[in-house]
Amino acid sequence: GAVVSQHPSRVICKSGTSVKIECRSLDFQATTMFWYRQFPKKSLMLMATSNEGSKATYEQGVEKDKFLINHASLTLSTLTVTSAHPEDSSFYICSARDVLETQYFGPGTRLTVL
Amino acid sequence: EDQVTQSPEALRLQEGESSSLNCSYTVSGLRGLFWYRQDPGKGPEFLFTLYSAGEEKEKERLKATLTKKESFLHITAPKPEDSATYLCAVDTTDSWGKLQFGAGTQVVVTP
Repeated sequence: GAVVSQHPSRVICKSGTSVKIECRSLDFQATTMFWYRQFPKKSLMLMATSNEGSKATYEQGVEKDKFLINHASLTLSTLTVTSAHPEDSSFYICSARDVLETQYFGPGTRLTVL
Repeated sequence: EDQVTQSPEALRLQEGESSSLNCSYTVSGLRGLFWYRQDPGKGPEFLFTLYSAGEEKEKERLKATLTKKESFLHITAPKPEDSATYLCAVDTTDSWGKLQFGAGTQVVVTP
C-alpha cells in the first residue's frame, strides 16, 4: 500500500522559534498534499492544500504567514510553523493524494511549544 | 452546506460481537466516500473508498456499504486489535479533493 512518512514524529520547541515538519510520499508521486491539525478527541481539521510547484491554498482562519507550506517536489511537502507559541501545540498530520484521488496519511507530528 | 455525521460516537463490543457503524451524509454531489481507522497518536489508515450507491467493499472482518444517504461499516466477529477510531470522510463536487470528515466512532473491543 501507499506509504507516507513524516519527520519528526515529536518536537518540543521554545516559544518564538520556528519548526519545520516534512511530509514524504515514499512509493508514489503526489501532485497534491494536505496538511491537517487534530486536537485531542477531535476529528481532523484541514489547514491547507499543497500543490507541487505552486502556492498553497489555506483554509479560512489559517494564517498563511504563520504556517508556511512548500511543495518543492512530487514527493515532498514541508510545513513550517513560524514564531511558534503554546497555542500552536497540536498534532499535525499530512496526507498525499494518489492518482486515484485517495489520500494516504502520514503518522503525524506532535508539536509542543513551551 | 455539506454535512457528515457518524454514529454512534462510541461503541464497546465483546470479542466476536458483530456490529455496524453509520456515516450519514448530506452533500451536493458525492465524488467518493472514504473510511479510515485511526489509532491513538497515529495518522489515519486508509480502509475503503466507495463511489456509488450499492457498492460494497470488504477487507478481513470489515465490510463497507454505500447508499444515497449513508454508509455502513460492518465489523464481523471483531477482535481486540480492531479497537480504534473509525473515520468517515467525503469528497464532493463542491470540495474537489478536499475531504470533509465526520467526528468518528471510537470502537473498543474487549476480550
